[in-house]
Amino acid sequence: EPEVTQTPSHQVTQMGQEVILRCVPISNHLYFYWYRQILGQKVEFLVSFYNNEISEKSEIFDDQFSVERPDGSNFTLKIRSTKLEDSAMYFCASSVRTMNTEAFFGQGTRLTVV
Amino acid sequence: AQTVTQSQPEMSVQEAETVTLSCTYDTSESDYYLFWYKQPPSRQMILVIRQEAYKQQNATENRFSVNFQKAAKSFSLKISDSQLGDAAMYFCAYRSAGKLVFGKGTKLTVNP
Repeated sequence: EPEVTQTPSHQVTQMGQEVILRCVPISNHLYFYWYRQILGQKVEFLVSFYNNEISEKSEIFDDQFSVERPDGSNFTLKIRSTKLEDSAMYFCASSVRTMNTEAFFGQGTRLTVV
Repeated sequence: AQTVTQSQPEMSVQEAETVTLSCTYDTSESDYYLFWYKQPPSRQMILVIRQEAYKQQNATENRFSVNFQKAAKSFSLKISDSQLGDAAMYFCAYRSAGKLVFGKGTKLTVNP
């Protein structure tokens, strides 16, 4: 069964460093998303991406965040200068269409900023 | 803005019994979708069941069913014949034209 895969599963980084979280969405999906879950809290939307551009972003997704689909298969989330409060589980998701199909989630990347 | 509220931070159920998890939402839109996701300790998000708002019939998926009350904006999840593997966080989510909006989750414990 096709699945969304994320690497790495766990990333530890120093505050102020740049990190890139990687995702390989399901191959025939057209919409891609990043969500964040701070430990013990709800899952929050960060950004959606379609046709090589951001279609929607939340207030969390400020200038330190960027997304890219560099090679037609990978979908990356870059955090330019990490802060302690960026420590969270980051989920990538993809869907065939926006509304009437479910989003399939990857297993998540646990980011720890020290 | 759409909001999703799960009023039960924690619930417990005996194995083989039935449990209902509550969810309410707020929206001014008429066309949308509702989902329940399960998050086991591994923290992966697994889709349990979905409901299209235009459908009056409640969705069912094996032991999982929903009670969708559109006028009341209520979307509860019923788990029948609970199993130990059902123990997890359960998130209710709303979707209209892209992003999912999640509730805060309900932690379900299944007692043997």
